[in-house]
Amino acid sequence: EVQLVQSGAEVKKPGESLKISCKGSGYSFTSYWIGWVRQMPGKGLEWMGIIYPGDSDTRYSPSFQGQVTISADKSISTVYLQWSGLKASDTAMYYCARRSGYDAFDMWGHGTMVTVSS
Amino acid sequence: DIQMTQSPSAMSASVGDRVTITCRASQGISNYLAWFQQKPGKVPKRLIYAASSLESGVPSRFSGSGSGTEFTLTISSLQPEDFATYYCLQHNSYPWTFGQGTKVEIK
Repeated sequence: EVQLVQSGAEVKKPGESLKISCKGSGYSFTSYWIGWVRQMPGKGLEWMGIIYPGDSDTRYSPSFQGQVTISADKSISTVYLQWSGLKASDTAMYYCARRSGYDAFDMWGHGTMVTVSS
Repeated sequence: DIQMTQSPSAMSASVGDRVTITCRASQGISNYLAWFQQKPGKVPKRLIYAASSLESGVPSRFSGSGSGTEFTLTISSLQPEDFATYYCLQHNSYPWTFGQGTKVEIK
């Protein structure tokens, strides 16, 4: 079965670091771009960035550049999203999604809820 | 960056109504546009890709059209399970950008 499996929900304090993951299976992981999408509570979808696991080519939205780091470990078919200093405003659901060829996201992970609160 | 202006932001409609949602791009994006449906607490689901191609398994009452800067998602006869929020996404150039979303509610 082709799927993206994300790591579980996280509760963190402001200033803490965090790395969440997205593991692909059932397809050639290194051949498809994987993106990250943020959804703050009650709000819309925001495109954060995207990585090509084959060579780790990464693109960021200017809104998220410098705020997060996207990385990949192709040996374990996993893409990561990390923060070095969380803020309360990072509280959101984070989705990973696969780009299909030249088209947009055809498959999504189930989401990882990140809560940042003192 | 390319801005995607989606309208309306919300609408009320009845079962059986024809519903049209529009996305306008701030510059030409060819047909690099997709439409997604999201129900409360659920993962977004792609309905349309390449502006007008129907995703496998998606009912034929959904259709997409447009090219360049103006795009439309049409639901020909709204069904109870279609009440949801819809988003467009341009992927012509980085950064990709979503529209603000259209919430379709029951009248």
